[in-house]
Amino acid sequence: EAGVTQSPTHLIKTRGQQATLRCSPISGHTSVYWYQQALGLGLQFLLWYDEGEERNRGNFPPRFSGRQFPNYSSELNVNALELEDSALYLCASSLARESNQPQHFGDGTRLSIL
Amino acid sequence: AQKITQTQPGMFVQEKEAVTLDCTYDTSDPSYGLFWYKQPSSGEMIFLIYQGSYDQQNATEGRYSLNFQKARKSANLVISASQLGDSAMYFCAMREIYGQNFVFGPGTRLSVLP
Repeated sequence: EAGVTQSPTHLIKTRGQQATLRCSPISGHTSVYWYQQALGLGLQFLLWYDEGEERNRGNFPPRFSGRQFPNYSSELNVNALELEDSALYLCASSLARESNQPQHFGDGTRLSIL
Repeated sequence: AQKITQTQPGMFVQEKEAVTLDCTYDTSDPSYGLFWYKQPSSGEMIFLIYQGSYDQQNATEGRYSLNFQKARKSANLVISASQLGDSAMYFCAMREIYGQNFVFGPGTRLSVLP
């Protein structure tokens, strides 16, 4: 069974540009979560999608947005990139509505803003 | 309010010894799940162990066990016979049945000494 896949692995952008990060969940998982992890720090929750709907959003500005497609894959879009957006962006998937199901993470996309 | 507290930013342990990583949580939900994840320096998040709020027994997975004390709202991770490869960040997380979102603690960096 394939795990959570994220693309690209690395992404280099300049200030003001836009970035798109992609995530494919484990087959059968309907929930997708996005996290930002700055170097050496913990996970900051960004967005949670389930069944195509945004279920929850972390404390991030509106230039962070995303969507979930009918096949449950997801995109994270970051507009007007700023230097502090440089981080590892982790995607995770889980079976929704089951509190005993763990999140399974992808390997992340490392976004660098020059 | 902080829902997951990990009071040890960093821990050292000698190879082959046991180590306990602390985690306390705060919830008013009657049903919830507690999870531990390992993040090596390569960045991927690896699911280690799960404990349900109604589980009577402490969870165990190989060298990992969870010391669950519900009344004290603590879910400490015990790693037995530490190995050099255990050096990593460790995150405690909770999922409430009603909130259904995952909440992560700030993490503990474990260093195993030869």
